[in-house]
Amino acid sequence: AQSVTQLGSHVSVSEGALVLLRCNYSSSVPPYLFWYVQYPNQGLQLLLKYTTGATLVKGINGFEAEFKKSETSFHLTKPSAHMSDAAEYFCAVSDGNSGNTPLVFGKGTRLSVIA
Amino acid sequence: KAGVTQTPRYLIKTRGQQVTLSCSPISGHRSVSWYQQTPGQGLQFLFEYFSETQRNKGNFPGRFSGRQFSNSRSEMNVSTLELGDSALYLCASSFTGMGTEAFFGQGTRLTVV
Repeated sequence: AQSVTQLGSHVSVSEGALVLLRCNYSSSVPPYLFWYVQYPNQGLQLLLKYTTGATLVKGINGFEAEFKKSETSFHLTKPSAHMSDAAEYFCAVSDGNSGNTPLVFGKGTRLSVIA
Repeated sequence: KAGVTQTPRYLIKTRGQQVTLSCSPISGHRSVSWYQQTPGQGLQFLFEYFSETQRNKGNFPGRFSGRQFSNSRSEMNVSTLELGDSALYLCASSFTGMGTEAFFGQGTRLTVV
């Protein structure tokens, strides 16, 4: 079975500071990995995804994540936080051998950005 | 290109009633999946439909059911509502399957009183 652990249910950073949201996964098969963002009373928006190939993945709004197989991690980073980045972020994993398996989500990390 | 549309956005129902939620996927997408989001349990997978067939199912009681029509639109139904069914229900569509890029709707906020 696959699982996702997001370290820190709440992260607070100053505007302009580095954003680092941690995600570790467990999977017995090659994973597909995703980061989604959710604003209040909204659905989930895909930030970026890793399927195969380059392990450093760039997404929207200046976010990027690096797939590290040896560490079973897929941490999300952004060099400089903006106020508009305040939201909840979810890491998700699915079975990379099949396109038909459900996304398994972490519990989420709420990001606060302080002016 | 229109996104995933879920209706209604908000619902208030009484315990014991039933409810039907609707999801219109992105044009051309054949896979529709449903998730329940609650503060305590987070995002939990309900079921997925692909070309009108249920392809995957999560660990929810039989009170939760769904279907998909030939135009890929999907509905989910919850019968005999319980207070614990209060949640944000999210629908996601993708071209071939859930493991590929999934696009989410804004959700339906269900409150059971």
